[in-house]
Amino acid sequence: AQRVTQPEKLLSVFKGAPVELKCNYSYSGSPELFWYVQYSRQRLQLLLRHISRESIKGFTADLNKGETSFHLKKPFAQEEDSAMYYCALRPRDDKIIFGKGTRLHILP
Amino acid sequence: NAGVTQTPKFQVLKTGQSMTLQCAQDMNHNSMYWYRQDPGMGLRLIYYSASEGTTDKGEVPNGYNVSRLNKREFSLRLESAAPSQTSVYFCASREGSSGRNEQFFGPGTRLTVL
Repeated sequence: AQRVTQPEKLLSVFKGAPVELKCNYSYSGSPELFWYVQYSRQRLQLLLRHISRESIKGFTADLNKGETSFHLKKPFAQEEDSAMYYCALRPRDDKIIFGKGTRLHILP
Repeated sequence: NAGVTQTPKFQVLKTGQSMTLQCAQDMNHNSMYWYRQDPGMGLRLIYYSASEGTTDKGEVPNGYNVSRLNKREFSLRLESAAPSQTSVYFCASREGSSGRNEQFFGPGTRLTVL
């Protein structure tokens, strides 16, 4: 079965500390993975996708096929990073499924 | 461009009532989606449509029907609302299956079923 697991509902991190939001997936084929973010009172929006191998707002994520993981990382947390983060999987053509989300709370 | 729009923004229904949530996009996207967002459950896919005239079930389709009226519009219907359908509903669109491209989301509809 295709599944996205985000084990942490809430992650609290001090400003300036490193951040790692965990995402594991279950899919037998070659996955396409994304991180979406929802800031307070805003729409969900794409943060980054694995194929781009990009860094957005200081965040990076590396696909580890051996561990079936796509963890989101940032070396130094900022207060504006507080938001809800969703990992998403596109197993085939148009179906896209999301994890349960992790609320990131940056402490001053 | 307005992007993805949803109506209404808020709705309160009584158990057993029916209603249709409307979604439209002006980006000429082929694929459209309906999700529900519940605390602790994240976003769950209800139905999606890869192109005009096609629809497919997602993870939680029971109690819902959809219509891809044309390329722009994708509606979600609750025939007989139940309290378990109290949720925030998001519509999204995406350019299409050929490209590895992102989903664009609407602002959401907050539905309460009493």
